[in-house]
Parts: sequence; C-alpha cells; structure tokens
Amino acid sequence: GAVVSQHPSRVICKSGTSVKIECRSLDFQATTMFWYRQFPKQSLMLMATSNEGSKATYEQGVEKDKFLINHASLTLSTLTVTSAHPEDSSFYICSAYTDMNTEAFFGQGTRLTVV
Amino acid sequence: AQSVTQLDSQVPVFEEAPVELRCNYSSSVSVYLFWYVQYPNQGLQLLLKYLSGSTLVKSINGFEAEFNKSQTSFHLRKPSVHISDTAEYFCAVGGYSSASKIIFGSGTRLSIRP
Repeated sequence: GAVVSQHPSRVICKSGTSVKIECRSLDFQATTMFWYRQFPKQSLMLMATSNEGSKATYEQGVEKDKFLINHASLTLSTLTVTSAHPEDSSFYICSAYTDMNTEAFFGQGTRLTVV
Repeated sequence: AQSVTQLDSQVPVFEEAPVELRCNYSSSVSVYLFWYVQYPNQGLQLLLKYLSGSTLVKSINGFEAEFNKSQTSFHLRKPSVHISDTAEYFCAVGGYSSASKIIFGSGTRLSIRP
C-alpha cells in the first residue's frame, strides 16, 4: 500500500514554544490530508482537513490560530502547534487521501509532550 | 452527518477463541466502511474495507466483516484469535469523495489471554 511518513515520531518541547509536524505521502499525490488528535485510550478526533493550495478547514472547537496547517504541495502537509502548553500534549496523526484508492493512508503518528 | 458507534470499549477473550467486535454507523448518504487496527504507540493500519459489491470482506490475517445495510452494522469477526491480535480496533465511516472526512468510532480494545 501507499506510504505516509510523519516526522518526528516523538517530540518534547517547553511550554510556550512552537512545534512543527510534517506529513508526507511518499509514493503518491494526496488530494486531501487530514490531521487527527488522539488522547490516551480515546479515539481519533478530526482536527482539520487540508487541500493543497487552499486554506485548511477546521473542525468546530479547534483553534486555527493555534494549530496552523500548511499544505504546500500534493505530497506535504505540516501542522504547527504554536505556543504549546501541557494540555496540547497528545498523539497527533495525519492521513493522506487520494481518489485513486478511495482510502486514507495514515502516518505513524507524533507523540507531543509539552513540559 | 455521519457517526460510528462501537458498543464495546474492551473485549477480553482467550487465545484461539472466536471474537466479534461490534460497529454500527449512521449516515444519510452512502458511505465506505473501514476497520483499522492500532498497536501501542503506533499509527493506524487498515485492516479491511467495504466499498461496494460483496457484503463480506476479508483481511489477510483472518479477520472478516460483513456490511449489513438494514441493520447499519459492520461487525468485525475472527474465528480464532492469536496473542498478536491484541490491539485497539477502530471502526470508521467515510464518504464517497476525497473531501469526505473519515469519522472514527471510539475504539475497542481487544485483549487476548493465553
């Protein structure tokens, strides 16, 4: 199947700093990328949907100024957590979708710890 | 709007016993249905999916799921589980286009006892 690479897999940052997470589709072009957040022992909550070259669509309750999403190309989307706080600590997962396969492929996730 | 309900948060079973993980969905439009598996501290792996055609879909590692439109269900089954099947299983529903979100159920933790 198609491969989605997410980087970094783990990151620890200090409160108040910003962290960027990259999501790359390695062998296909992703028409749409999704960003999810997963709290311990809970399901994945969709944060936003991004299409290449356009602004991301955020789910209700997700702060767009805090979680900046850039979808610069058909193979790369980035999520930047700005001014991170301990409550932002979570597991973030991206997925890339292509109409060719009618399924979304998931990255391995990034565990963010804000101290 | 679409939603997915996984009634069982945890399912403990003995090794080599059969298992069924339940999933019900709600949607006003036709959807695709998925089962994903997540091992500890890892991302999601697609286990199987229903797009159209035969209502019984199978994975390579012995799992199968049956789409039941009248009951709006997509239960996951395996006739004999192995220790390595211990993981979190998520049922998900998605629409017919790339603009459609994939909505996940709350997950079922399958724990296998020797």
